[in-house]
Formats: sequence, C-alpha cells, structure tokens
Amino acid sequence: DTGVSQDPRHKITKRGQNVTFRCDPISEHNRLYWYRQTLGQGPEFLTYFQNEAQLEKSRLLSDRFSAERPKGSFSTLEIQRTEQGDSAMYLCASQGGGNQPQHFGDGTRLSIL
Amino acid sequence: AQTVTQSQPEMSVQEAETVTLSCTYDTSESNYYLFWYKQPPSRQMILVIRQEAYKQQNATENRFSVNFQKAAKSFSLKISDSQLGDTAMYFCAFMNTGNEKLTFGTGTRLTIIP
Repeated sequence: DTGVSQDPRHKITKRGQNVTFRCDPISEHNRLYWYRQTLGQGPEFLTYFQNEAQLEKSRLLSDRFSAERPKGSFSTLEIQRTEQGDSAMYLCASQGGGNQPQHFGDGTRLSIL
Repeated sequence: AQTVTQSQPEMSVQEAETVTLSCTYDTSESNYYLFWYKQPPSRQMILVIRQEAYKQQNATENRFSVNFQKAAKSFSLKISDSQLGDTAMYFCAFMNTGNEKLTFGTGTRLTIIP
C-alpha cells in the first residue's frame, strides 16, 4: 500500500492555458474521487469514478473541466482555458468499496497567474 | 442537501490538555457516516475517526473520541492528552450510505502550544 499519489504537487500557469493533473489510487481501490479545496475552506466534491465509469459530477464541474479514468486505474483531471477562480488545491481520494474510508493524496496546488 | 458546520475557526490548547472540537450537520437521511479528518500543514488529509449513525456507541481511537448526538445532529471530537503532532486543520465530514461523496465542514485550525 503505497498510498494515493498525485502529480504534479504544484502547477503554476497563465490564465487561459490548459492543465492536466494525474492521480494514482491505492492499487485495487475501485473508487476514485476528485475534490477541490480553496483557501480557508473544506474540500468540495467534484466527481467520482467506480472503476472506469464516471458516476457523478458536481455542478461545480463546469464544461471546462473533464475527468477520465481509463481502464479503471489512474485518473486525470483536465482544466481547459484556466481562470483565476480555478486557483485551488485539487485533491484525489480512493476507496476500496463498500463503506470503507477514503484515502487522500497530497493534492495538486494550482496557481493561476 | 447535506450541510456540515464547524463553528470554531481556530482553537489552541496547551500540550497534554484535552480539547473538544464541535461539529453540527443537517440531513434528512437516517443512515449515514460521520468522519473527522486531520490535515497537517502541507501534508495529506488523514482519517482520525469514523462513526456509523446506526451505532449508539461513540467511536474511540486511542486519544481521540467522539460525542455523537444523533437527535441534536451533533458530532464533536475530543482529543485527550494533546500532543504537538496534533497541530493541524481538522475537518468534520458527512457521507450518506449509498452516496459515497464526502461533504466537509470549513475546518478548525488547532494549535497545540508547548
């Protein structure tokens, strides 16, 4: 159990650019979640996968955001045409199913210049 | 929709003392889970303790225990014999059974003073 891994740890980009983040869940965890955390706030749910199927998307996930989980392993979160308001910590969590707790990665901090 | 409220943005306590963090939530569901997560500075969020709503007995994990009052929709965390390593943001979170996304509160920043 190597834990949930996220890459990169920190991304700085100019407004209008596209960015992509990667999350590698704990092996054999079939559920994967993306959350966004802004300064001074708790994490907010964005989307969730069971294996390769994206089962739920928050209304926070505008059409500039897309997430994938090909083959039910790692997941990517892409933000197109980034805006200042996208600056946040993006957290990934995985879960082994049932009512097991979610395990979080270190997050990717996105800074928009 | 569920909401989670943490009314204490910051708290501090002397090392070895006991501290209680408050959390209230709102839901119309009867089956759910409640969690406390700890997020140390610049480190990942880790689970501290979990409570199933259908269990009347309060959960305990070593120095950490909860006071779960289902009727009052209250879920406080007690940390006994606090240690410097307990310094962190603490988040209360709610999860519906069958809908596994977590709803978090805004957090309480806890500082343990040497």
